[in-house]
Amino acid sequence: AQTVTQSQPEMSVQEAETVTLSCTYDTSENNYYLFWYKQPPSRQMILVIRQEAYKQQNATENRFSVNFQKAAKSFSLKISDSQLGDTAMYFCAFMKQGAGGTSYGKLTFGQGTILTVHP
Amino acid sequence: NAGVTQTPKFQVLKTGQSMTLQCAQDMNHEYMSWYRQDPGMGLRLIHYSVGAGITDQGEVPNGYNVSRSTTEDFPLRLLSAAPSQTSVYFCASSYSGRAEDGGYTFGSGTRLTVV
Repeated sequence: AQTVTQSQPEMSVQEAETVTLSCTYDTSENNYYLFWYKQPPSRQMILVIRQEAYKQQNATENRFSVNFQKAAKSFSLKISDSQLGDTAMYFCAFMKQGAGGTSYGKLTFGQGTILTVHP
Repeated sequence: NAGVTQTPKFQVLKTGQSMTLQCAQDMNHEYMSWYRQDPGMGLRLIHYSVGAGITDQGEVPNGYNVSRSTTEDFPLRLLSAAPSQTSVYFCASSYSGRAEDGGYTFGSGTRLTVV
């Protein structure tokens, strides 16, 4: 079974600054995907960024980037130029890549980190 | 194209009552799942379905029942509500269940309180 750990229950950052959210995971799988989801106060789950384990290059989506360290089983999210709209709960999630590429969509989530961006 | 629609958005139940949380998607997705979100525990998988007529248990299935008679709908039934089932419930769907095809689309959630 996989486990995902987010050790920072809460984080805060000033507007326009950079913040990094931590995530570690434990798995015996070699092929898998990692995700960061954002949950604003509206409760909607929004996919922020995705990383394929077989790719060495770190994924980037505009102001969001990850530092994926496969050997260390670490997957941190960096938010640059933080904006007030980034205030949300952030979840790290794991999905293994099953036989034939199908994993039945079983996501394993971390506990979440509440990020507050201050003006 | 409404995406994933969950109803109701809020519900209060008394212990022992039963109810059904509705989930519908209009994207012709084969894969659908139910998760519950509890403080400090993230989201945990309750049940999932890989197509009409096919369902299976997730991590925390006890006290919940599902069926999938159509591709569009995946209702979650609470047979006899307990205070431990107080949570926020999310339905999610995916075209293929494969992360490389874009992952899952989530509904907006149902906040359930059992008193």
